[in-house]
Amino acid sequence: QKEVEQNSGPLSVPEGAIASLNCTYSDRGSQSFFWYRQYSGKSPELIMFIYSNGDKEDGRFTAQLNKASQYVSLLIRDSQPSDSATYLCAVNYTGRRALTFGSGTRLQVQP
Amino acid sequence: DGGITQSPKYLFRKEGQNVTLSCEQNLNHDAMYWYRQDPGQGLRLIYYSQIVNDFQKGDIAEGYSVSREKKESFPLTVTSAQKNPTAFYLCASRDNSNQPQHFGDGTRLSIL
Repeated sequence: QKEVEQNSGPLSVPEGAIASLNCTYSDRGSQSFFWYRQYSGKSPELIMFIYSNGDKEDGRFTAQLNKASQYVSLLIRDSQPSDSATYLCAVNYTGRRALTFGSGTRLQVQP
Repeated sequence: DGGITQSPKYLFRKEGQNVTLSCEQNLNHDAMYWYRQDPGQGLRLIYYSQIVNDFQKGDIAEGYSVSREKKESFPLTVTSAQKNPTAFYLCASRDNSNQPQHFGDGTRLSIL
């Protein structure tokens, strides 16, 4: 069964620090990868997506993809208390018509 | 505004009752999805539809049914056969298979 693995956390970082969230996946042929942020009681919102090996930056967020090692990461620079949420990693597995989600990592940013 | 609208926001089901959750999108997306999320868990796929008048079972389809009569609409019925329906239900859509999925605000279903 194709899975997406994330550490459930909580990951606690001080305000202003870099938060590093990691995700591993099981299908080397996967083509597209997504990070969603979910606040408590709310629906997931898309933060980043990445298709190619390497880094992709958008503001304070950087997504990193390493297809050889089958992991994707999300870095949040200058973390703010408003970044406190659960971060869901999602993978578009080859031959599967919907995204497969990890169970999420809960991030706590301490003021 | 373009987006995905789910209704109602909260829903209560009585024993033996079927209930229907609405999902409407005006993004002109072909594909639509239903996920279930239990507390502290990730999203599990219930059903999906790639095109009008066609839909496929996901990983946890038992006790649920769907229809896709219009491109904009993908309602989910939670039947009495679903013995543990209490969860947060999320509808999503996307343009094609390599694009991100976008979500509605969700419906929270509880048992009375």
